[in-house]
Amino acid sequence: EIVLTQSPGTLSLSPGERATLSCRASQSVSSNYLAWFQQRPGQAPRLLIYAASSRATGIPDRFSGSGSGTDFTLTISRLEPEDFAVYYCQQYDTSPPWAFGEGTKVEI
Amino acid sequence: EVQLVESGGGLVQPGRSLRLSCAASGFTFSSYWMHWVRQAPGKGLVWVSRISSDGSSTNYADSVKGRFTISRDNAKSTLYLQMNSLRAEDTAVYYCARELPHRYWGQGTLVTVSS
Repeated sequence: EIVLTQSPGTLSLSPGERATLSCRASQSVSSNYLAWFQQRPGQAPRLLIYAASSRATGIPDRFSGSGSGTDFTLTISRLEPEDFAVYYCQQYDTSPPWAFGEGTKVEI
Repeated sequence: EVQLVESGGGLVQPGRSLRLSCAASGFTFSSYWMHWVRQAPGKGLVWVSRISSDGSSTNYADSVKGRFTISRDNAKSTLYLQMNSLRAEDTAVYYCARELPHRYWGQGTLVTVSS
């Protein structure tokens, strides 16, 4: 079972700043089957990035994903007011359970 | 437009049962594997269960194995989660989501297990 550890737990930044979120897996994620989600209060999660670095349809290019193996990063190049939310990573390797990380809250 | 609409949540006593439904539209439901994901109040996302497109294969998180049953009716484009022997720790918003990676999610339905 792959366990995902996200850091930091909370990131306090200002609009226009760069955000760097980390997701570390307990073992290698094959084929880089790693996704990132954004969740705003009271809303369902929204897929941002899949396959570690591919942006989902309609996602602004200020969001980018990188990494491979066990270390993955979500970068938001310039924070917009609507980007203040909680971000989760999830591995979707071959076998269940398809765990999520604990989340990183990006706050003002 | 892809839509997933959950229903069936509510307040239930510990030890009782509840069945959640997820009505799908805007895509060929019978072609996709489907999942349930839950989120306890103020907590993170937890994967719960998955079912294959034809219903022949299922998987469960250890925390619900033996108590929850995932199923589907492809003729009705509906996904189900039968939850038995409910516990306080099952209190959560339950989301249905289309196959991995989860591009489409429902709005969620709240299940509260309390006496």
